Amino acid sequence: AQSVTQLDSQVPVFEEAPVELRCNYSSSVSVYLFWYVQYPNQGLQLLLKYLSGSTLVESINGFEAEFNKSQTSFLLRKPSVHISDTAEYFCAVGTSGTYKYIFGTGTRLKVLA
Amino acid sequence: NAGVTQTPKFQVLKTGQSMTLQCAQDMNHEYMSWYRQDPGMGLRLIHYSVGAGITDQGEVPNGYNVSRSTTEDFPLRLLSAAPSQTSVYFCASSLNRGQPQHFGDGTRLSIL
Repeated sequence: AQSVTQLDSQVPVFEEAPVELRCNYSSSVSVYLFWYVQYPNQGLQLLLKYLSGSTLVESINGFEAEFNKSQTSFLLRKPSVHISDTAEYFCAVGTSGTYKYIFGTGTRLKVLA
Repeated sequence: NAGVTQTPKFQVLKTGQSMTLQCAQDMNHEYMSWYRQDPGMGLRLIHYSVGAGITDQGEVPNGYNVSRSTTEDFPLRLLSAAPSQTSVYFCASSLNRGQPQHFGDGTRLSIL
């Protein structure tokens, strides 16, 4: 069965420092990859998506993600974080031929002043 | 454009009671799904639907029923509530296979 792993359950980082959040998945077929962000007491919001094409994906709020097929990873990065980036980040994977999405267990990013 | 609307936002039930969590979307999305979110476990798929009249089980379907009579609505029914069903429930929809999902704001359910 497919699985999605986010090994870091919590990541503390100081404001204006860079951050990397890791996501690994197990699948031998074509995948669709997503990063979602969840602020307290809210639903999940799409941050980034990889469907095909360039392995580097950028969002409008400074985050970028890199897809590595050989390592089956989808790394989320931001070069300089803000207090407002404090949230929980979820990686999700869908595979071609199915409508199901599998979510990782989430990484709580806490940005410290 | 309301997106995905879930009602109620909060609910407290007693063990054995039944209830329906409502989910509606106004984006004409074919795919809809229900997840539960528990601390340290991420989101787990309960049931999903790929169109009106078509539903299937996800990872944790026991104790829950769904139906999809229209494209817009996808209610989740708890048949006989148990404390293990205390959770935050999210409904999501997407246009098609492989597309990003749009989430509702969730329903916080407590079973006493």
